[in-house]
Amino acid sequence: NAGVTQTPKFQVLKTGQSMTLQCAQDMNHNSMYWYRQDPGMGLRLIYYSASEGTTDKGEVPNGYNVSRLNKREFSLRLESAAPSQTSVYFCASRGPGAPMNTEAFFGQGTRLTVV
Amino acid sequence: AQSVTQLGSHVSVSEGALVLLRCNYSSSVPPYLFWYVQYPNQGLQLLLKYTTGATLVKGINGFEAEFKKSETSFHLTKPSAHMSDAAEYFCAVSGFDDYKLSFGAGTTVTVRA
Repeated sequence: NAGVTQTPKFQVLKTGQSMTLQCAQDMNHNSMYWYRQDPGMGLRLIYYSASEGTTDKGEVPNGYNVSRLNKREFSLRLESAAPSQTSVYFCASRGPGAPMNTEAFFGQGTRLTVV
Repeated sequence: AQSVTQLGSHVSVSEGALVLLRCNYSSSVPPYLFWYVQYPNQGLQLLLKYTTGATLVKGINGFEAEFKKSETSFHLTKPSAHMSDAAEYFCAVSGFDDYKLSFGAGTTVTVRA
């Protein structure tokens, strides 16, 4: 079982470049999430998708867009990268069904550096 | 909206000593509470969760946590620390009517030989 798979694992971008972080889960979960992790700040929610076809903003959505391509895949796009977006990005999924009392499964993370 | 506050960003304990990590929550509705652990350069994995029922919850690796509604707390304990417990620990909360899962700032545990 692969669980939650994120690509790429590492990326260096120049300021102003764009890129898409990919996430796929094979657990038939309805809900998917994107977080960023910065030292001393824990995990902050960027966007989430309660179910296929829906997306909602989290705590820190500015500078990001998301696409819930299908039930398995949830991508995060940086249209014009800024140094403040240097971070470790985690994708997670929960479910099945209404996920509120279920655990989240996490990918291994994408370490992004914007120079 | 729900949130959690973890008291203490770093905790240092001796091997064999009690580990106590503090988490307080704020929620307008009955919360679901979680503790996760993150080892270096890895994703997060679940230690334990409280949903309903028994307020003392046992998890993996000898950890347990007690839900105290009167104190809005969900502190994590382990009676005897092991070197392998060195990691970062996160408390998280989810409301029963909300798909969001919100995390605290994390507590880094170091274990001294």
